[in-house]
Amino acid sequence: AQTVTQSQPEMSVQEAETVTLSCTYDTSENNYYLFWYKQPPSRQMILVIRQEAYKQQNATENRFSVNFQKAAKSFSLKISDSQLGDTAMYFCAFTRAQSYNTDKLIFGTGTRLQVFP
Amino acid sequence: GAVVSQHPSWVICKSGTSVKIECRSLDFQATTMFWYRQFPKQSLMLMATSNEGSKATYEQGVEKDKFLINHASLTLSTLTVTSAHPEDSSFYICSARAPSPTQYFGPGTRLLVL
Repeated sequence: AQTVTQSQPEMSVQEAETVTLSCTYDTSENNYYLFWYKQPPSRQMILVIRQEAYKQQNATENRFSVNFQKAAKSFSLKISDSQLGDTAMYFCAFTRAQSYNTDKLIFGTGTRLQVFP
Repeated sequence: GAVVSQHPSWVICKSGTSVKIECRSLDFQATTMFWYRQFPKQSLMLMATSNEGSKATYEQGVEKDKFLINHASLTLSTLTVTSAHPEDSSFYICSARAPSPTQYFGPGTRLLVL
């Protein structure tokens, strides 16, 4: 069975600084997808970034980038130039690649990020 | 693109009544839709997976007769909470997936059962 672990329940960062959120996972699959979703106070789940396991290059979306270490089963999210609007709960998630049409997302417990002015 | 709507955004009902929540993919056809429940300050808990035209697959511990799911078309899934009770009060979120690995989420529905 797949598991996703986020070991940081809460983090804080000052505006304009950089913060890294940790995520580790456990799977015997070789092909899979990893995601970071954010859930701001509105509770709308928003996709931040997606990583395909078969790609060695780390995914990047503007100020958001990941450090994907497949052998270590680690998938951290780096937020650069933090903004007040980044304040949210961040969830790391995993899904298998072989049958992704029906396979569910496995979520971590989340990291609550607070950005201070 | 990849917008999912959910209606209503919040609902208050009396104990014993049924409540229907709609989930629509607005700009893509969703082969699969998912229904989640989220308690305050917790992660999402998957309730069921539904594919268009077939019966939903419920997670262990979720009552099928309590939470009725209908996936009538490639853009619409509904969740009906039957004979709602106060313990069913929660935040319900749907997501939709096209033929791709990414799930796109609706804005959620806050249900309060009095």
